[in-house]
Amino acid sequence: DTGVSQDPRHKITKRGQNVTFRCDPISEHNRLYWYRQTLGQGPEFLTYFQNEAQLEKSRLLSDRFSAERPKGSFSTLEIQRTEQGDSAMYLCASSPRRPGISDTQYFGPGTRLTVL
Amino acid sequence: GIQVEQSPPDLILQEGANSTLRCNFSDSVNNLQWFHQNPWGQLINLFYIPSGTKQNGRLSATTVATERYSLLYISSSQTTDSGVYFCAVAIFRDMRFGAGTRLTVKP
Repeated sequence: DTGVSQDPRHKITKRGQNVTFRCDPISEHNRLYWYRQTLGQGPEFLTYFQNEAQLEKSRLLSDRFSAERPKGSFSTLEIQRTEQGDSAMYLCASSPRRPGISDTQYFGPGTRLTVL
Repeated sequence: GIQVEQSPPDLILQEGANSTLRCNFSDSVNNLQWFHQNPWGQLINLFYIPSGTKQNGRLSATTVATERYSLLYISSSQTTDSGVYFCAVAIFRDMRFGAGTRLTVKP
């Protein structure tokens, strides 16, 4: 168990540019989540995948944001035409395949995005 | 949506002291977790505790689901316990986090 990994750890970009983040979940976990955390706040849910299917999306996920998990393993989160308000820590989490509807989520170290 | 309130927002302790952090939530939930966010931003699982009581070393947690609250107990606090403690709840998959309790343990 190597834990959830995210890449890059830090990203600085200029307003209007596109950025893409990658998340590699714990290998046997079939559920993957993206969250966003701004300074002084708790993380906010963005979206959730079960295998390759994107099953839930928050209204925070505007049309400039898109997430994929093409083979049910790693996931990417892309932000198009970045705005200064997108500056935040983007967190990925995964959880294992278990019966029932709820389970423990394990978080990666996050990608800190700064939009200048 | 579910509302999650944590108290106190800030807590300063002397090393060796005990503390209790509280999490109130507004609806019945299927998932409740406590996390510690270290100074580097990593969220570390402490407990998965939608109901009942669990203990792990100096930490323990109790969730009273019928009364919609959870408590995190830290005993004999150490400077390495400093950071932000989050309570997060979910009915389905989208976890809602509280605003956190920022704990500072002084040597």
